[in-house]
Amino acid sequence: DTEVTQTPKHLVMGMTNKKSLKCEQHMGHRAMYWYKQKAKKPPELMFVYSYEKLSINESVPSRFSPECPNSSLLNLHLHALQPEDSALYLCASSQEGTVTTNEKLFFGSGTQLSVL
Amino acid sequence: AQSVTQLGSHVSVSEGALVLLRCNYSSSVPPYLFWYVQYPNQGLQLLLKYTSAATLVKGINGFEAEFKKSETSFHLTKPSAHMSDAAEYFCAVRQYAGGTSYGKLTFGQGTILTVHP
Repeated sequence: DTEVTQTPKHLVMGMTNKKSLKCEQHMGHRAMYWYKQKAKKPPELMFVYSYEKLSINESVPSRFSPECPNSSLLNLHLHALQPEDSALYLCASSQEGTVTTNEKLFFGSGTQLSVL
Repeated sequence: AQSVTQLGSHVSVSEGALVLLRCNYSSSVPPYLFWYVQYPNQGLQLLLKYTSAATLVKGINGFEAEFKKSETSFHLTKPSAHMSDAAEYFCAVRQYAGGTSYGKLTFGQGTILTVHP
């Protein structure tokens, strides 16, 4: 299994809703990532988890709350989002447990989020 | 901070023609460079990565890239374009973070490749 699976594929939510994005990988990877990609823009890093601990937070607003329940799962909890948060949210994983800077990232297909 | 610049947001070629997508990096130390491809409504897939073992890197789907330190470039090429190559291509650089911190992967702005019959 060399896939990163993200659910749901599409999500529409209001600004007062609470929702969660889910990401799963069974490759034994020890690093997992959340990226945000606006239309016609490159992906931008949001969070990195290393060995289930948050190692990088790119100054993301608190209305985005990541969670890594175990080494295979990564969640992104959403609350009180704004319309400008509408984007494709990509999850990725990589094998590294320590710095191996040429390790490749495996990306999921993303969740297309629309905030009304 | 290390960064990459992709020259040309759109490139259009005919089927069978040479594909050349340009990427220049800014780095004071040896960079870790990657090319990713993104098909519509999908995630990113690694095409190839520069590991410093060789300046000419071969990737999947017939793509290759050459690392040129003197030009700070890592351009992506394919001798003969196929219709299935139509996608968006991202050059990316991984910053050396040091210690036990993960290197942040930073993407260029992307180049949309269109292939005409």
